[in-house]
Amino acid sequence: NAGVTQTPKFQVLKTGQSMTLQCAQDMNHNSMYWYRQDPGMGLRLIHYSVGEGTTAKGEVPDGYNVSRLNKREFSLRLESAAPSQTSVYFCASRPGTGGYNEQFFGPGTRLTVL
Amino acid sequence: DAKTTQPTSMDCAEGRAANLPCNHSTISGNEYVYWYRQIHSQGPQYIIHGLKNNETNEMASLIITEDRKSSTLILPHATLRDTAVYYCIVSVTSGNTPLVFGKGTRLSVIA
Repeated sequence: NAGVTQTPKFQVLKTGQSMTLQCAQDMNHNSMYWYRQDPGMGLRLIHYSVGEGTTAKGEVPDGYNVSRLNKREFSLRLESAAPSQTSVYFCASRPGTGGYNEQFFGPGTRLTVL
Repeated sequence: DAKTTQPTSMDCAEGRAANLPCNHSTISGNEYVYWYRQIHSQGPQYIIHGLKNNETNEMASLIITEDRKSSTLILPHATLRDTAVYYCIVSVTSGNTPLVFGKGTRLSVIA
């Protein structure tokens, strides 16, 4: 199993450009999450999905849209990038059924907006 | 979810036990204590979790006080590779509830 994969690993954008961050998991998990991490800070939740076709806002959703088109994939789109969105973005997934279950993280996408 | 309080940073000598404290005085009866760590700039990694009993696995031990208002993560023989940021999180048992991360404790293991 590859676990949680993210593409691209690095990206540089100019202010106002758009892009989509891709995330996929091969563990048949129901729940998927997008976090951002700024230097010296903890992770902050942007959006999440508890199942195919469903999404919900997290702590810092403004400026981002998400799509959960199928069980495997959960994408994060920046329609008009701003320098404040310079960050490391982590995708995570979790089984989402039963009681406790471990949250698995991808390697991250390092985004710089100039 | 209940909030947690952790020291900003700690040092530990290589080979010694690292004891990382966490306060969670407002924890509810149905909330677990989770510990994750983040090495350098990698994605966080699960370490251990518990409800009210002490837990041990191949990575660490988790000691939860009887009143559940605080806990301690113990790395029995810290190595340089244990240098990381350690996050203590409390969350309900629902598998869909997102984990909320604070700033964690930066543990530096020193040779």
